[in-house]
Amino acid sequence: AQTVTQSQPEMSVQEAETVTLSCTYDTSENNYYLFWYKQPPSRQMILVIRQEAYKQQNATENRFSVNFQKAAKSFSLKISDSQLGDTAMYFCAFSITEPSAGKSTFGDGTTLTVKP
Amino acid sequence: GAVVSQHPSWVICKSGTSVKIECRSLDFQATTMFWYRQFPKQSLMLMATSNEGSKATYEQGVEKDKFLINHASLTLSTLTVTSAHPEDSSFYICSARDPPEGSGRAWDTQYFGPGTRLTVL
Repeated sequence: AQTVTQSQPEMSVQEAETVTLSCTYDTSENNYYLFWYKQPPSRQMILVIRQEAYKQQNATENRFSVNFQKAAKSFSLKISDSQLGDTAMYFCAFSITEPSAGKSTFGDGTTLTVKP
Repeated sequence: GAVVSQHPSWVICKSGTSVKIECRSLDFQATTMFWYRQFPKQSLMLMATSNEGSKATYEQGVEKDKFLINHASLTLSTLTVTSAHPEDSSFYICSARDPPEGSGRAWDTQYFGPGTRLTVL
């Protein structure tokens, strides 16, 4: 069974600054995907960034980047130039590629508040 | 990007009644959909995997007779909460798996619906 741990229930950052959200996971699988999702007050889950475990290069999407450490089973999210619209709950998630492809395990979430 | 819809977005019902929630993939065919439950300020807990044309696979601890799932077509899965009670009040979210085959992508993509808030009085 897979587990995902987010050790920071709440975080805050000043607008325009950088913040890093932590995530660790545990699995015996070798092939898998890792994700960061954003859930704003509307409750709609939005994919922020994804990482394939076989790729050593860290994924980036504009202001969002990850630090993927496979040996340490760590997958942190860095948000640069934080914006007020980044205020949301962020979930780290894990998904194996097969056989239940797409079935995801989520961490408990980190509530991020961006302050003006 | 692909869109997944849920209907209704919110529902209030009396204890003992049944409620049906629909999840539709609007512009792709989803052979697999997932149903999650989320309590306020908590994580998403997977309830079941819905497979088109076959029985759903339920996670441990989820009552399959209480949470009936039907995936009758490639674009629609339904979750029926039977004999609902106040403790079933929650936010229910579905997601649909868009496989890579024929898409030009090398990976699965999972699209989430906007959720359904169920309140049982």
